Amino acid sequence: GDSVTQMEGPVTLSEEAFLTINCTYTATGYPSLFWYVQYPGEGLQLLLKATKADDKGSNKGFEATYRKETTSFHLEKGSVQVSDSAVYFCALSHSGGYQKVTFGTGTKLQVIP
Amino acid sequence: KAGVTQTPRYLIKTRGQQVTLSCSPISGHRSVSWYQQTPGQGLQFLFEYFSETQRNKGNFPGRFSGRQFSNSRSEMNVSTLELGDSALYLCASSSGGEETQYFGPGTRLLVL
Repeated sequence: GDSVTQMEGPVTLSEEAFLTINCTYTATGYPSLFWYVQYPGEGLQLLLKATKADDKGSNKGFEATYRKETTSFHLEKGSVQVSDSAVYFCALSHSGGYQKVTFGTGTKLQVIP
Repeated sequence: KAGVTQTPRYLIKTRGQQVTLSCSPISGHRSVSWYQQTPGQGLQFLFEYFSETQRNKGNFPGRFSGRQFSNSRSEMNVSTLELGDSALYLCASSSGGEETQYFGPGTRLLVL
């Protein structure tokens, strides 16, 4: 079955540091890939997505590129802010007759001033 | 467009009781999915409804059930509550034709 593996957290960075959160997946076919973010006490928000190989998703300074050859979708940001502190989830989904998203375990990011 | 709404936001129940959670999807969305989030198990898929029919189901016991109404609103029911059912229950909606799901704020259930 499908699976998503994320790097263990928590990740603690100083403000303006470079962020990378690794994500790899196992799936049949050509899934779409997502990063969701969850702020304390809230639900999940879609951060970015990519639907085919070599696509780059980007939003709010975050980027991730769909790498089929390495089955990866690593999240990056050049300069993190305190407000980026949250839990980040990598996920995949298949198009077609049903909606089921497979999530990674989440990576907690803490940015300190 | 208004986002996905879930009610209630917080709920406290005792073991053995049952509970019903409600989810209103984004207008025009026909697919509603439910997830359970716990610190130990992370995000786990419960089930998905599309046009009042359950299309997909996760690996949860029969105590967990759901339904969807003709206006796409969905309810999830948990009977005979156990302590381990304490969790954040998230609802997500999508158009049904694309993969992106949009999540509500969740209902936090505490079972005592």
